[in-house]
Amino acid sequence: DIQMTQSPSSVSASVGDRVAITCRASQGIGSWLAWYQQKPGKAPKLLIYGASNLQSGVPSRFSGSRSGTDFTLTISGLQPEDSASYFCQQANSFPYTFGQGTKLEIK
Amino acid sequence: QGQLQESGQGLVKPSQTLSLTCTVSGASISSGAYYWTWVRQHPGRGLEWIGYIYNNESTYYNPSLGSRVTISGDASKNQFSLNLRSVTAADTAVYYCVRSGYYYCDAWGQGTLVTVSA
Repeated sequence: DIQMTQSPSSVSASVGDRVAITCRASQGIGSWLAWYQQKPGKAPKLLIYGASNLQSGVPSRFSGSRSGTDFTLTISGLQPEDSASYFCQQANSFPYTFGQGTKLEIK
Repeated sequence: QGQLQESGQGLVKPSQTLSLTCTVSGASISSGAYYWTWVRQHPGRGLEWIGYIYNNESTYYNPSLGSRVTISGDASKNQFSLNLRSVTAADTAVYYCVRSGYYYCDAWGQGTLVTVSA
């Protein structure tokens, strides 16, 4: 299975800050990567697919990028409602696998 | 927008079979447009992709679950189901039914907690 290693495991930032969360794949996955947001007690929500494509209805302060097997989710201009956990998912090969998650706290 | 709703047992005894059903609205499980998927999340931990049913017939399962898992569909009710046999405490998790394109999960049920305990 492809391993997805996410970092950091948690991060704290203030409203208006810019935050970057990274995900590294254990082997090449092209751009077959998604990012999800999960709030406590809720199901995950698709934010970005294909490494950098914004899902419909997702605010433009969310963006994704790729460099080789490293992927980054960037949130610019943090808002209080961005407090959540974020997961990456590779979709290059079955079984699809997820990163272990990053918990974002808004100070 | 598609909606999904899980239903089934919240408590299962060790060695028994976990059974969950997902009722789908807004899309047909037989249309071939989506992969109808199960994903689980162990308490306080990450997500695990379990498997899918496609076009109400083709299935794929995560090899980590071996031969314990079966996903089936009922087109007449527009539902798909998960059966996980010989459960242990390690199968305690929140189980989500999910609508997926081939690659990404774009609609999720609210999730249902299943606890394995005697």
